[in-house]
Order: sequence, then C-alpha cells, then structure tokens
Amino acid sequence: EAQVTQNPRYLITVTGKKLTVTCSQNMNHEYMSWYRQDPGLGLRQIYYSMNVEVTDKGDVPEGYKVSRKEKRNFPLILESPSPNQTSLYFCASSLRQGGTYEQYFGPGTRLTVT
Amino acid sequence: KNQVEQSPQSLIILEGKNCTLQCNYTVSPFSNLRWYKQDTGRGPVSLTIMTFSENTKSNGRYTATLDADTKQSSLHITASQLSDSASYICVVHFLGSNYQLIWGAGTKLIIKP
Repeated sequence: EAQVTQNPRYLITVTGKKLTVTCSQNMNHEYMSWYRQDPGLGLRQIYYSMNVEVTDKGDVPEGYKVSRKEKRNFPLILESPSPNQTSLYFCASSLRQGGTYEQYFGPGTRLTVT
Repeated sequence: KNQVEQSPQSLIILEGKNCTLQCNYTVSPFSNLRWYKQDTGRGPVSLTIMTFSENTKSNGRYTATLDADTKQSSLHITASQLSDSASYICVVHFLGSNYQLIWGAGTKLIIKP
C-alpha cells in the first residue's frame, strides 16, 4: 500500500531534550516536506527536500533540522525543543515539486514540549 | 502578500443538505488551486486540483469551481453525509522561487443527523 508513515504519532517531551520524528514513504517520490499545523492557522512549511542530499528552508525553519540521506526517509530533528514548538506535525511527499503532482500526507505527529 | 482566505470559518448543516465553501486568494502568479479534506487529527487528503485554465472539477459529491479573474474558488458538497464532517482546506500553488504551496486556514464543517 502506497503510504507516508511517521513515528512517533504522539510525543511529550521536556524543553531542551533532543528528539527526532521519522518520516518514510514507499512511493519513490523525489519531493518531501515537513509542515506544522497550529490552531486557526494554515499548514506552514518547515523544510523541504527536492531529492537526496538536497534540502531547503520553508517558511518556519528556526529550531528545526532535516536530512535526506535516502530517498524514502526524511527525518525532522529538534535539537533543543521549546514550548513554542508544541504543534501537530505532518510529513508529505510527492513525485516531484511543482505542477499538479499529488501530495500525500502522513498521519501526523502530535508533539508537546513542556 | 500572498494569502488564501476561506469562509466561513465553520459551518453546521443537516445531513442530506448541500453546502458551498468559499476561498479567495491573492497569490500571483499561480499554477494551480487545490482543495483538501482533513479529518480531525489526520493528514489532509486531496479532493481536487485545478489549473488556472480549468473552471470546474468534480470528485463524486464534491465539485470545485475556479474563477482566476476574480481569484475566487468554491467547493460545493452535494447531499452531505455524516462522513463529510471535516475541515476543508484551500491551497494555492505559488509560482515563486520554490513553487510554494500557500495554505488557507480551512473551513470546519459539521454535519448533524
């Protein structure tokens, strides 16, 4: 089954404790991205990757890191989480960037930083 | 500034009724406009994608329209079902330096039996 998976689905952590949220897709997609969703706001892009070893900042990259060592995986790293990073996070992938390529989303990771 | 605004913010209708959700955007230039359905706590799922040259596109009981001149789009839901309860998000694909997707905040639709 074609899908985007994220782990963990739920995470409660404390300020400053490094964490990684994994994202994997099995559709051989080139383009992957991370979003955060906060109440009353549209999804905001954190980082995106056009292919292996090619990543770039989105709208809200501060406090986050990513890597793309393999085509299928695109982990999101919070080196020193803070309470303002409490949010719902989505990973997404599409065949390529741009055009009318369908974007597929993972199930989401709800992160709480205390 | 590139923006996507949706109305209403929330809507409650009875099962079986029709409804129309609105989307106004200031994004320019743009490549395409998308409507997504997002169930609570889940990832968005695509309903329709329309290029600037398309006026209407249907997906079952969902019909999206696009007027690129007035920069308006609507999503019409026919014969609503309880499973239509969700947030509906309008997204415009900006032809900027990184082909950015500009997301609306969504309309929360509740279908009551």
